[in-house]
Amino acid sequence: AQKVTQAQTEISVVEKEDVTLDCVYETRDTTYYLFWYKQPPSGELVFLIRRNSFDEQNEISGRYSWNFQKSTSSFNFTITASQVVDSAVYFCALRSQGAQKLVFGQGTRLTINP
Amino acid sequence: NAGVTQTPKFRILKIGQSMTLQCAQDMNHNYMYWYRQDPGMGLKLIYYSVGAGITDKGEVPNGYNVSRSTTEDFPLRLELAAPSQTSVYFCASSAPGQEQFFGPGTRLTVL
Repeated sequence: AQKVTQAQTEISVVEKEDVTLDCVYETRDTTYYLFWYKQPPSGELVFLIRRNSFDEQNEISGRYSWNFQKSTSSFNFTITASQVVDSAVYFCALRSQGAQKLVFGQGTRLTINP
Repeated sequence: NAGVTQTPKFRILKIGQSMTLQCAQDMNHNYMYWYRQDPGMGLKLIYYSVGAGITDKGEVPNGYNVSRSTTEDFPLRLELAAPSQTSVYFCASSAPGQEQFFGPGTRLTVL
């Protein structure tokens, strides 16, 4: 069975702090894809990143970075110098190759205080 | 491109009523999906489609039906609304093997 665990239900930090959102996944498949989505207060889901299981390189996009470690089945997301606009619920998700279903974690509500 | 659009944005139904949630995409994606998001939870897949005329059940299909007569449209039908179907419904689309793009959601309340 596939499972995604985001153990941090809520995180609150002060603006400009760095913050890391944890994601741990379970799958028996050798080929799979990991995703992060952002859900701002307006409610829509915004795609942030996709990573396939064969690519363990970390990725940086502006203030966002992702650390994928197969050895610990983790795909953590770090926001550097956080801003109030980063306040949202962030979801980690998993999909096996050939499957259509995205398995979502329960989400982490991130609040950035000014 | 409008991306994925959903109507209505909000709806209140009485128990036993029926309704159709509309979803359309203009990205020529073959794959389309319906998810529901309950409060404080992640999304769960209701139904999906890999192309016109082809649909399949997801995790939580009971109480719902879908059809896919065109590439662009993927409506979700609730036949006999129940309070347990109070949720936010998201439609999504994707190219094969690629990330899913989501619509803005429909907030449904069944009283």
